[in-house]
Amino acid sequence: EAGVTQFPSHSVIEKGQTVTLRCDPISGHDNLYWYRRVMGKEIKFLLHFVKESKQDESGMPNNRFLAERTGGTYSTLKVQPAELEDSGVYFCASSQHWTGKGEQYFGPGTRLTVT
Amino acid sequence: GNSVTQMEGPVTLSEEAFLTINCTYTATGYPSLFWYVQYPGEGLQLLLKATKADDKGSNKGFEATYRKETTSFHLEKGSVQVSDSAVYFCALSDLSGTNAGKSTFGDGTTLTVKP
Repeated sequence: EAGVTQFPSHSVIEKGQTVTLRCDPISGHDNLYWYRRVMGKEIKFLLHFVKESKQDESGMPNNRFLAERTGGTYSTLKVQPAELEDSGVYFCASSQHWTGKGEQYFGPGTRLTVT
Repeated sequence: GNSVTQMEGPVTLSEEAFLTINCTYTATGYPSLFWYVQYPGEGLQLLLKATKADDKGSNKGFEATYRKETTSFHLEKGSVQVSDSAVYFCALSDLSGTNAGKSTFGDGTTLTVKP
């Protein structure tokens, strides 16, 4: 079974440009999460999809970030326009359902550098 | 809200030394607790987990016990190897209230094991 995949693995863009990150969850997983690790600090929650619906987007830093999950399969996270402080590693995770165990499966992350 | 506090790093040990990485948490409900590991150039991997008080998670020689009375989940290994060099993250997942479904992480502890 394929794990969570993310694309691209690295992205270097200039301030003011737009970048779109993609996450493909494990097949059949209804829950999809986006997290971010900035400047070697903790990994912070951004948002949570249940199928195609946004369950919780309380961690989205501002309206420059837009996440979508059309059809409840893969998800995209767009940053427009990018700022220097957006640099970091963006992780995606998926889980099958809320079993009470809370286990999420993480992708390898996308390292975003804004110059 | 929920929070996780991890022992500050970096930690440098000699091969075969004993490892402890401290982790304490604050949660409003009854969380599941996790240790994730990120090896150089790779994504996050689940190392071990515990879903209720007094549970012990173990994997690859690592252990952690869910201590509700001290709100702790310290990671231990009796004899580390060079291949254990990585960043270790303590995390919790809580299904209660507004925190439902998302994970809260500590800052991460970088471990370097020297031969």
